[in-house]
Amino acid sequence: GESVGLHLPTLSVQEGDNSIINCAYSNSASDYFIWYKQESGKGPQFIIDIRSNMDKRQGQRVTVLLNKTVKHLSLQIAATQPGDSAVYFCAETFNDYKLSFGAGTTVTVRA
Amino acid sequence: NAGVTQTPKFRILKIGQSMTLQCTQDMNHNYMYWYRQDPGMGLKLIYYSVGAGITDKGEVPNGYNVSRSTTEDFPLRLELAAPSQTSVYFCASSYPIAGGRLRSSYNEQFFGPGTRLTVL
Repeated sequence: GESVGLHLPTLSVQEGDNSIINCAYSNSASDYFIWYKQESGKGPQFIIDIRSNMDKRQGQRVTVLLNKTVKHLSLQIAATQPGDSAVYFCAETFNDYKLSFGAGTTVTVRA
Repeated sequence: NAGVTQTPKFRILKIGQSMTLQCTQDMNHNYMYWYRQDPGMGLKLIYYSVGAGITDKGEVPNGYNVSRSTTEDFPLRLELAAPSQTSVYFCASSYPIAGGRLRSSYNEQFFGPGTRLTVL
């Protein structure tokens, strides 16, 4: 089975609200995690990453939280916009280059 | 810079045919990867390469072959196409070597636009 997975396959969000996308991982040896965004017909695009020595990392409108105790990762998107509609994947690795991807969460932003 | 480019964008193959998916990156990255993505699923690693002349199997290598004769190119070969290989294929690169383009994290993988392959 997959070592990384998302709690919900779909998420519908009102424009302007905050989005929270969750991810559970099972490999306790993983020490590096990445969130990717994939728009329809395109390849995945890097959003933000975090190492296991951190609990939180902030980017532009996005925050990643890591809870190593329960092996949980989340991506928060502030003030969700229509352009945020996409599939979001979390990925993990323990050797810095071979990534394991979860199945993804499809985010739909309602106007 | 073009980043990671893939050709073709679309292809339909008959069972038993062969083809090569092309991947080129101009970012001077020494790591390159091939993934497949089935409908509604995440990406599965097929093969990867940590430098010219070095390749290794990923999670789902059966039915595929790769080569890495240059830093820039990492072609994926399907020898005997099967319906189970119908998928979208993504190439990616990461880890800049000296003089390469740096981003927020050297582990970031840059993806190409994908090749949609159908085997009938």
